[in-house]
Amino acid sequence: QKEVEQNSGPLSVPEGAIASLNCTYSDRGSQSFFWYRQYSGKSPELIMFIYSNGDKEDGRFTAQLNKASQYVSLLIRDSQPSDSATYLCAVNTDFGNEKLTFGTGTRLTIIP
Amino acid sequence: GAGVSQSPSNKVTEKGKDVELRCDPISGHTALYWYRQSLGQGLEFLIYFQGNSAPDKSGLPSDRFSAERTGGSVSTLTIQRTQQEDSAVYLCASGNRIVYEQYFGPGTRLTVT
Repeated sequence: QKEVEQNSGPLSVPEGAIASLNCTYSDRGSQSFFWYRQYSGKSPELIMFIYSNGDKEDGRFTAQLNKASQYVSLLIRDSQPSDSATYLCAVNTDFGNEKLTFGTGTRLTIIP
Repeated sequence: GAGVSQSPSNKVTEKGKDVELRCDPISGHTALYWYRQSLGQGLEFLIYFQGNSAPDKSGLPSDRFSAERTGGSVSTLTIQRTQQEDSAVYLCASGNRIVYEQYFGPGTRLTVT
């Protein structure tokens, strides 16, 4: 069973602070890693993807990948109330197959 | 450019009726996926199409569910003899083979009464 696990939360972070979202995966052969944001009542929206160990930055968002420890994280700097949403981690676990395995998501609330 | 579109946005049907949900993927995307999301739950994979290959139907919950993709573009998900437990948001996503990211449509909210 190829699994992707996230803490369901809710995770509450004060406005302006750094929000840290974590995800672990079971398949050591996983290749690509994705973070999606889902507002209540809306469909998931791709924020970032990463496939190399290390950090990848895009504006206030930083994705971190550690394949040896099998975790991927998302940092949100200078958190805003508009960042309040559920964040889904997704992993491509089958090389040559585009299927993604999604975690159940972490609900993030930014407190003004 | 245009994103993934789905229709209808909402569908209310009586138990036992058949429903068809439509998905128009992003132009040029060869991969198309259907997911189901129940209230407050995660994404449940249903079926995956890639080009002209045989679809991966491993996520379909029962033989009442089927899907087809015509001409490598538009897809229709059909649920026969709907049950109340079929009530959920049905999401379609399309993607390419570059980095395997998926882009989601707005979903169809299905309510079976």
